[in-house]
Formats: sequence, C-alpha cells, structure tokens
Amino acid sequence: DQQVKQNSPSLSVQEGRISILNCDYTNSMFDYFLWYKKYPAEGPTFLISISSIKDKNEDGRFTVFLNKSAKHLSLHIVPSQPGDSAVYFCAASLQETSGSRLTFGEGTQLTVNP
Amino acid sequence: KAGVTQTPRYLIKTRGQQVTLSCSPISGHRSVSWYQQTPGQGLQFLFEYFSETQRNKGNFPGRFSGRQFSNSRSEMNVSTLELGDSALYLCASRGGFQETQYFGPGTRLLVL
Repeated sequence: DQQVKQNSPSLSVQEGRISILNCDYTNSMFDYFLWYKKYPAEGPTFLISISSIKDKNEDGRFTVFLNKSAKHLSLHIVPSQPGDSAVYFCAASLQETSGSRLTFGEGTQLTVNP
Repeated sequence: KAGVTQTPRYLIKTRGQQVTLSCSPISGHRSVSWYQQTPGQGLQFLFEYFSETQRNKGNFPGRFSGRQFSNSRSEMNVSTLELGDSALYLCASRGGFQETQYFGPGTRLLVL
C-alpha cells in the first residue's frame, strides 16, 4: 500500500521558470510533510517542511503548499536553476507516541535546462 | 555543527555474511532512524532508536537489527546477507521534538 505517491517520475523545465513537483497521500493521519533533494549515492538533503495545521510555507525560492482536503502537496521552485537538477522526494510523518517514521514517495527527477 | 556521519561509505560482502554499519548523529540529537533505499522499493523505514531504545520498527525481517549507545551513536546489523540486501543504507537523526530528520551520506552495500 503506497501511502505517499509522486506520480511524475520526471520533470524538465527551463532555467528561470517555475518547477512544480506534486505529491499525493492517502493517510489522513499524517501530520507533517517534508521535501528532500537527493543526488545519486548521497543522502537526502532537507529542503522545506510543512505542518498539517498550515497550508503554505515559504523559504527563499522554495514554497510548499498543502491541500488537506485533497491530500495533496506541491513544491514550487522559483526561479529554477540548473543546480536544482536532482531527485526530489516528498515524505510524510505520523507523530506517534512511540516515535515517528518517514514514509517517502517514489521521487521525481527534476532536470533544469540552461 | 557537524552533520550526520556514516561509516563505512562502501562495503562489499558475500551472501551469508553479516555486516555492521555505523552512524553518528548530529551533536545533541537523540533520535536515530535507519532507512534502506533500493531501485525497486524506494526509500523504506527500517527502525528508529531514541535513548538507546527501539521506538519504531518497519516491515523488515529479523535479520535486520540495530542498537543505540549512550552517546546516541547507532549501529545496524544485517545477518545472513542476501543478494536483495544490496542497497544504500541511510541514517537520519532528529533532535528532541523537532520533526525534521537530517540524513547522513549513506553506506552503499553490495552483496555478491
């Protein structure tokens, strides 16, 4: 049962344009969402997060939007830069009394063309 | 602050052997989680340790185990290695009640 899904395996955008990466989830109990950027053979790098009590969080060029009713979140990168080319993972967390775990989507390969 | 460190970075083993991977969390972080990344299954949660106690466990066989020491450093062990255990093993640390997990560079394990 894939509780977090990223339906687009890849996305290609031009430098300077907006990149929009999407993520859907099925478990309405998830209360914290994160986006990570990853290069091959390296660990994921934290980008931005959002609590389920908010619908938007912004950090520089990165903005995450959360639509709880649709169980959907998106990451906007504006403007996109060639250095943003990487695999982006969305992750969801369920803060349980026994701890927490991250459930990841499959990832979206973003390519930003100069 | 130094980030999460993992050793070794690369490892080659043969089927049937066992392996121990090490993780040092960010200073002050008491929670350490382990994840496995494979091309077929993606990133999957193995277990979480907090104050030397396993708090959470993913859906992996008992061959996968871990422990945490009093200085919050953690080790994970895989016994009786199988070809399918070839993967990137990632460790992440989290401080206190913060929700963000910060990842180390990973250990690439190849089982032949």
